[in-house]
Amino acid sequence: GAGVSQSPSNKVTEKGKDVELRCDPISGHTALYWYRQSLGQGLEFLIYFQGNSAPDKSGLPSDRFSAERTGGSVSTLTIQRTQQEDSAVYLCASSLAADTGELFFGEGSRLTVL
Amino acid sequence: QKEVEQDPGPLSVPEGAIVSLNCTYSNSAFQYFMWYRQYSRKGPELLMYTYSSGNKEDGRFTAQVDKSSKYISLFIRDSQPSDSATYLCAMKKTSYDKVIFGPGTSLSVIP
Repeated sequence: GAGVSQSPSNKVTEKGKDVELRCDPISGHTALYWYRQSLGQGLEFLIYFQGNSAPDKSGLPSDRFSAERTGGSVSTLTIQRTQQEDSAVYLCASSLAADTGELFFGEGSRLTVL
Repeated sequence: QKEVEQDPGPLSVPEGAIVSLNCTYSNSAFQYFMWYRQYSRKGPELLMYTYSSGNKEDGRFTAQVDKSSKYISLFIRDSQPSDSATYLCAMKKTSYDKVIFGPGTSLSVIP
């Protein structure tokens, strides 16, 4: 498909387990974002990759959260030792160039921590 | 204080009404302003993108930015039931900066 693809679409895990969420951005898009959206809430910025620059990690809520982007394309968000408050929808977005306002979002990965 | 504030609503209006959605922000460094629409269980999609102060019109949608008041607005004319969604304002400081979103306003347009 031509859009941003995220997997898994749903993930249920037990407290204390690690999870990995994957994002396939639109081909050729140089900027990639991760956001978190809790029920009925807005988008909380997590991390931003722009080309070969060092990522902006200022939104990661704790050291249990990390993300990487390999080859300037696919990105993985990892949450270690999950907690119940990590339950949310994790949204990935990409853009062709960071100097536009248009982010193209995936449909998200819904994480439930029991 | 959050960087970007929005009235969460819910806002309910009759079909055909003019809708006004607003955001305030605290950091005068923001220069690029956006409005996104998000349908239930979907990712947001861009509606409007503006730079600095002024107005921008696109069909039934008008975006206004008042940097002196740190206040942005989105107006929807002749609202339709299909406009029922959550509207998120967003902004960034420079063209290559990260995009920060407001908490969103839930809108229902009643037929």
